[in-house]
Amino acid sequence: SQKIEQNSEALNIQEGKTATLTCNYTNYSPAYLQWYRQDPGRGPVFLLLIRENEKEKRKERLKVTFDTTLKQSLFHITASQPADSATYLCALELTGGGNKLTFGTGTQLKVEL
Amino acid sequence: GAGVSQSPSNKVTEKGKDVELRCDPISGHTALYWYRQRLGQGLEFLIYFQGNSAPDKSGLPSDRFSAERTGESVSTLTIQRTQQEDSAVYLCASSLTGSHSNQPQHFGDGTRLSIL
Repeated sequence: SQKIEQNSEALNIQEGKTATLTCNYTNYSPAYLQWYRQDPGRGPVFLLLIRENEKEKRKERLKVTFDTTLKQSLFHITASQPADSATYLCALELTGGGNKLTFGTGTQLKVEL
Repeated sequence: GAGVSQSPSNKVTEKGKDVELRCDPISGHTALYWYRQRLGQGLEFLIYFQGNSAPDKSGLPSDRFSAERTGESVSTLTIQRTQQEDSAVYLCASSLTGSHSNQPQHFGDGTRLSIL
């Protein structure tokens, strides 16, 4: 069966450290993978998109990797801050899927002082 | 406003009633999506509109669910004869186009639906 798995347990890290979140998928062939941030009571906010033929994408303190052999994406936040505390969702856009997204359940990140 | 707007923000209704949820996408966005998010879960795709094409209804969970979109503007999601398992946050998103991939989706803050 098709699955998108993200760490179900919350990730607690210290301010200034690098947070690494994992997204694994099975039985999908995504054309693109997107990462979103969701704060309580709010809709998701787009962060980064990476294509199947790209290995890595960066934006400011954020970095995403995409390994289609391992069927895994890693999302890194460097020099983390308490304001980075949120739930982070990965989403797959399938080839021929018309831009509709299939989401993982998200990982809650808490950055502590 | 500049973002996706959804109304109402909260809706409490009795089992068996019909509800209508509204979404105003970002002006100029031709693609519009509805998702459902149950407590502690990821987003489930419901339906997708792209311009004048027939909508992709493949995610609608039952025939009690339907949606319409007027041109490239407002969309309404209707749930008939609501059941308790319909309780969730219903999220709407829009993107510049759905015809070409790699478009980020812009989400509203959702309608929190509670069925008593």
